[in-house]
Amino acid sequence: SQQGEEDPQALSIQEGENATMNCSYKTSINNLQWYRQNSGRGLVHLILIRSNEREKHSGRLRVTLDTSKKSSSLLITASRAADTASYFCATMDTGRRALTFGSGTRLQVQP
Amino acid sequence: GAVVSQHPSWVICKSGTSVKIECRSLDFQATTMFWYRQFPKQSLMLMATSNEGSKATYEQGVEKDKFLINHASLTLSTLTVTSAHPEDSSFYICSASTWDGYEQYFGPGTRLTVT
Repeated sequence: SQQGEEDPQALSIQEGENATMNCSYKTSINNLQWYRQNSGRGLVHLILIRSNEREKHSGRLRVTLDTSKKSSSLLITASRAADTASYFCATMDTGRRALTFGSGTRLQVQP
Repeated sequence: GAVVSQHPSWVICKSGTSVKIECRSLDFQATTMFWYRQFPKQSLMLMATSNEGSKATYEQGVEKDKFLINHASLTLSTLTVTSAHPEDSSFYICSASTWDGYEQYFGPGTRLTVT
């Protein structure tokens, strides 16, 4: 299955700064989800935004979705060293339950 | 809640042998399980979708005779890599969802190294 693109591929920031990651996709979706993966580990679900939603918040996370542009962004505010991980967007296409993952953004938060 | 386990967490096998990986949903009934593969520094690629009691649906390019998937119960799916070769070395991750859920719960992954 084709994957979406994420940018940047890698991001290095200082603790306390905000981190923004972008995701673009190509299909008609039911929802878009963001996951975090620590090196060599499984995935942790962060947030799900439905196709009829434009913005969603969860703690320090803010996700936006623009279905007309087929894009989403994940903002992590007041980043911490523990936020260091790879972040993936994943789309659930209309009529399908499987997820299509983006290419991922490797975030490094310097203490 | 919503915990998914995988066993083993890592395995090393010789070329030509078969390896079985188990994926279990510990506290919920998983009507659908998914198997993904992740090569180093790459994203996850869906290999197959399995519904309990049915044959798995494989993604294009994934050999169903090489990657045997069984989903015999609502809490267990297995992936068997048959006649493994070094190019099959990868991180295999399963996920599970309920019949009405959009969220997938991921296992911790299994790192397979074929020598």
